[in-house]
Amino acid sequence: ILNVEQSPQSLHVQEGDSTNFTCSFPSSNFYALHWYRWETAKSPEALFVMTLNGDEKKKGRISATLNTKEGYSYLYIKGSQPEDSATYLCAFLTGNQFYFGTGTSLTVIP
Amino acid sequence: DSGVTQTPKHLITATGQRVTLRCSPRSGDLSVYWYQQSLDQGLQFLIQYYNGEERAKGNILERFSAQQFPDLHSELNLSSLELGDSALYFCASSVDSSGRYNEQFFGPGTRLTVL
Repeated sequence: ILNVEQSPQSLHVQEGDSTNFTCSFPSSNFYALHWYRWETAKSPEALFVMTLNGDEKKKGRISATLNTKEGYSYLYIKGSQPEDSATYLCAFLTGNQFYFGTGTSLTVIP
Repeated sequence: DSGVTQTPKHLITATGQRVTLRCSPRSGDLSVYWYQQSLDQGLQFLIQYYNGEERAKGNILERFSAQQFPDLHSELNLSSLELGDSALYFCASSVDSSGRYNEQFFGPGTRLTVL
């Protein structure tokens, strides 16, 4: 079983702060990395699918970078808002199997 | 609303029983993925079907099986249920077969409780 680690496990920030968290994965046999946003009592919602080393993706105030050689991806949120409060999950695809991290729980305090 | 539907929403059953969970993918999506989320674990990939054929297998127990029908809906069959099978079961759909290029859309999940 592969290890996909996310850090920190949880994070509390003030509204307006910018924040970032990390997804670490094996650097070999990389196929893709998916980021999801998962609000309580809802289902995961796709943010980004990243496939190439050096990829940078952006959606509104959220962006992500990918380093497949060293096995990590960063997710950035600029100017956090209370509605950004959720768990952010990454999923590493190798071969044809997905391995999920345990997520970073973000709470944005108004 | 992701466009992926799952039924039932909740299921309560006894140990040793068999249940079937159903998933209808988004219109146009050919891939269906099944995931399990237990209390003490993150999301675990179980199995993927693409256009009716099994495409990938993850940590799926032998007591579990799945299939995808010609209309692309999928069913996950869980048999000889044990207490530890209590979990939230998600299905997700995607347009491609590899998972490399397209996002997955998750259904609302089926919460299974085994008593």
